[in-house]
Amino acid sequence: EAGVAQSPRYKIIEKRQSVAFWCNPISGHATLYWYQQILGQGPKLLIQFQNNGVVDDSQLPKDRFSAERLKGVDSTLKIQPAKLEDSAMYLCASSRHSGGDTDTQYFGPGTRLTVL
Amino acid sequence: GQQLNQSPQSMFIQEGEDVSMNCTSSSIFNTWLWYKQDPGEGPVLLIALYKAGELTSNGRLTAQFGITRKDSFLNISASIPSDVGIYFCAGRNTGNQFYFGTGTSLTVIP
Repeated sequence: EAGVAQSPRYKIIEKRQSVAFWCNPISGHATLYWYQQILGQGPKLLIQFQNNGVVDDSQLPKDRFSAERLKGVDSTLKIQPAKLEDSAMYLCASSRHSGGDTDTQYFGPGTRLTVL
Repeated sequence: GQQLNQSPQSMFIQEGEDVSMNCTSSSIFNTWLWYKQDPGEGPVLLIALYKAGELTSNGRLTAQFGITRKDSFLNISASIPSDVGIYFCAGRNTGNQFYFGTGTSLTVIP
């Protein structure tokens, strides 16, 4: 079974530029998550999708961040315009969400964003 | 968002020693997960726990789901240099939301 795929792995941009990240979850996984991880901290949830619907985006800075999962499979996260404090690792994760108690979350390799 | 209390924050141990770290929460979780993260990589799942009181092993790793459902611990026996990394706990609630600990940085001295 292929894991969660993310691209690009690294991105360097200047402040006020735009950037987009792509994620393809594990096949059959209904739930997709985007996390932001600042160096030295644990992952912080930005947005959670259930199929193509948003479950939780309470911590997404909506003035500059947007995310979509139009067909309920892959997803993109965009930042426009970027700020210096957006420098972080952006992690995508997925879970099956079968409704049972044995759901587990798997992460992709992440995208390391540096804003100059 | 909620963040779990994970301790210790960092550990420096000799190769061959055992390691113990734990995670506590003010909320009840249905699932506890333990991940290891290497620099520049995404977290890799080590152990998943689904029932209160459950004790699960994966090689030299052992983890337990606390009876109160508000805590979990991870033990690593006979540590080796490749155990170096940051270990995160995560809890899942009934809404299928996952919350992460602050991480334990492990350094193994050969």
